[in-house]
Amino acid sequence: DTGVSQDPRHKITKRGQNVTFRCDPISEHNRLYWYRQTLGQGPEFLTYFQNEAQLEKSRLLSDRFSAERPKGSFSTLEIQRTEQGDSAMYLCASSLAQAGGYTFGSGTRLTVV
Amino acid sequence: RKEVEQDPGPFNVPEGATVAFNCTYSNSASQSFFWYRQDCRKEPKLLMSVYSSGNEDGRFTAQLNRASQYISLLIRDSKLSDSATYLCVVASNSGYALNFGKGTSLLVTP
Repeated sequence: DTGVSQDPRHKITKRGQNVTFRCDPISEHNRLYWYRQTLGQGPEFLTYFQNEAQLEKSRLLSDRFSAERPKGSFSTLEIQRTEQGDSAMYLCASSLAQAGGYTFGSGTRLTVV
Repeated sequence: RKEVEQDPGPFNVPEGATVAFNCTYSNSASQSFFWYRQDCRKEPKLLMSVYSSGNEDGRFTAQLNRASQYISLLIRDSKLSDSATYLCVVASNSGYALNFGKGTSLLVTP
């Protein structure tokens, strides 16, 4: 499968726990993005990497959220001290050129109970 | 004011009908515009880019009006398989982040 892979597909966690999601972009894509989507809303931008550099972060990305892309390949998104409001679909996307030609992964659905 | 605003619908149309969606955006400096399609509980997929001159891809036609800051999508000869949520998307000033509308739900019925 040469698409964008996200793991896990689903995660249920108790409030206050930390969670980490992984994204493997399309191998030749140097740009990687994280988005969050809640029911009835469009995806909301969280952060963007070009290779290993995190170049843009949304104000939605509170200090409980951290994203890394250490070798410019896969990326992780960690949420510390999860809250019920963090329940959402977390989408990863990658692209080779300017924004628009995104390929999204299937997402990780987080439920905080 | 939201960056991108769309009528959420739902739009219920019979097969073969023509349906049009519009959206408005607030950032006059935006340079890139797109329509994405999202099926229920699936990821968004790029449907088409939107150019100032307008562009067509089969049964789909997209238009951009920069002066009025609105974008449209026209679907001709609707198919059952067109049933989905259509997301209007505008690139941010940086060009990297995309601002998505809430989406317009389309249901094509037999």
